[in-house]
Amino acid sequence: GEDVEQSLFLSVREGDSSVINCTYTDSSSTYLYWYKQEPGAGLQLLTYIFSNMDMKQDQRLTVLLNKKDKHLSLRIADTQTGDSAIYFCAPLGTYNTDKLIFGTGTRLQVFP
Amino acid sequence: DAGVTQSPTHLIKTRGQHVTLRCSPISGHKSVSWYQQVLGQGPQFIFQYYEKEERGRGNFPDRFSARQFPNYSSELNVNALLLGDSALYLCASSLGGGGYTFGSGTRLTVV
Repeated sequence: GEDVEQSLFLSVREGDSSVINCTYTDSSSTYLYWYKQEPGAGLQLLTYIFSNMDMKQDQRLTVLLNKKDKHLSLRIADTQTGDSAIYFCAPLGTYNTDKLIFGTGTRLQVFP
Repeated sequence: DAGVTQSPTHLIKTRGQHVTLRCSPISGHKSVSWYQQVLGQGPQFIFQYYEKEERGRGNFPDRFSARQFPNYSSELNVNALLLGDSALYLCASSLGGGGYTFGSGTRLTVV
């Protein structure tokens, strides 16, 4: 089946880097997305990586993909208190349809 | 340019009732998907529509149905509401092939 796993919590000091990890099972995923969700809000698309790439950098965000191990990570440089939120990795499942597969997400807490 | 808009933002229904949730995609987006997010969990895929045709259905009972209109807006209908249907319902649109933009959601409470 299709599954995504992330650690539930991450706590970092303001100014440090944050690394959020994700493992997934669907090896046919062509795109892998990172979404951010603030309390009571919808999902904000942060960045994505295509499956034939190893790394993508977008300002403070760096995505690393290890396709062999089905491991995806999101690094946030110079983490700010405004980055406190839940982060979801979401591979695009292709077995039946274009659906995003979400895990439970990682709650990032940034303290001063 | 307007993003994905959903209505209503909140509603409260009684067990056994029926509910209709509405979604307007970003202009030019022909694909609309619906997700259910129960408190403390990640979103779960319910339906995808593309060009008014159902492209995919998640593991939800037949009480859940949806449709897409010629202007690409969409409705999600849920019949015979259960307490467990209480959740945030998210609509997302894309040009096709991923890159979904989500709306702010409709928070449904069933009492």
